[in-house]
Amino acid sequence: AQSVTQLDSQVPVFEEAPVELRCNYSSSVSVYLFWYVQYPNQGLQLLLKYLSGSTLVKGINGFEAEFNKSQTSFHLRKPSVHISDTAEYFCAVTPRANAGGTSYGKLTFGQGTILTVHP
Amino acid sequence: AAGVIQSPRHLIKEKRETATLKCYPIPRHDTVYWYQQGPGQDPQFLISFYEKMQSDKGSIPDRFSAQQFSDYHSELNMSSLELGDSALYFCASSSTSWETQYFGPGTRLLVL
Repeated sequence: AQSVTQLDSQVPVFEEAPVELRCNYSSSVSVYLFWYVQYPNQGLQLLLKYLSGSTLVKGINGFEAEFNKSQTSFHLRKPSVHISDTAEYFCAVTPRANAGGTSYGKLTFGQGTILTVHP
Repeated sequence: AAGVIQSPRHLIKEKRETATLKCYPIPRHDTVYWYQQGPGQDPQFLISFYEKMQSDKGSIPDRFSAQQFSDYHSELNMSSLELGDSALYFCASSSTSWETQYFGPGTRLLVL
């Protein structure tokens, strides 16, 4: 089984400031990692994903995340935020294809972090 | 690019009524997932289908059932609705590699 912990439920920040949203996970098997964004009253949009290879992954809208296997973390960062980045951000994991078990594809989400960007 | 389509987008039902939610995956995607997101909560996995067969099951109540049809669209049937079923229901689809799920806009169900 997997679990995901997003360490901050709310993150207020001023426009053009940098931001980091923290995510830690726990799993007995290897996982793929994702960040999704949910704007008010909308669905979930994929921001970025880590499948393999370079531990630093870049996504849409200037976001990036770094996978740290030893710390089981996948923190999301943006060097300069905009008002339009105000949304809720979800970290999620799913078991790798060759990791065994029967939960292929099922996403386990963290509790979400509400990012509010102030002018 | 085509996205996941869900219908209806909004649904209001009375307690003990039945609701049917529909999901049309991205073309050539063969796997469909259903999630439930309660107010202020993270999405919770309900059930998934691969090639029209149930592939995984989460915390889906016995009052709910789902299936995937020959054209790969999926329907979530919810009976004996309860107030606690009020939530946003997401459908997601992926291709055979299932490593990345793409979500629909969701169906917001309100049970009165």
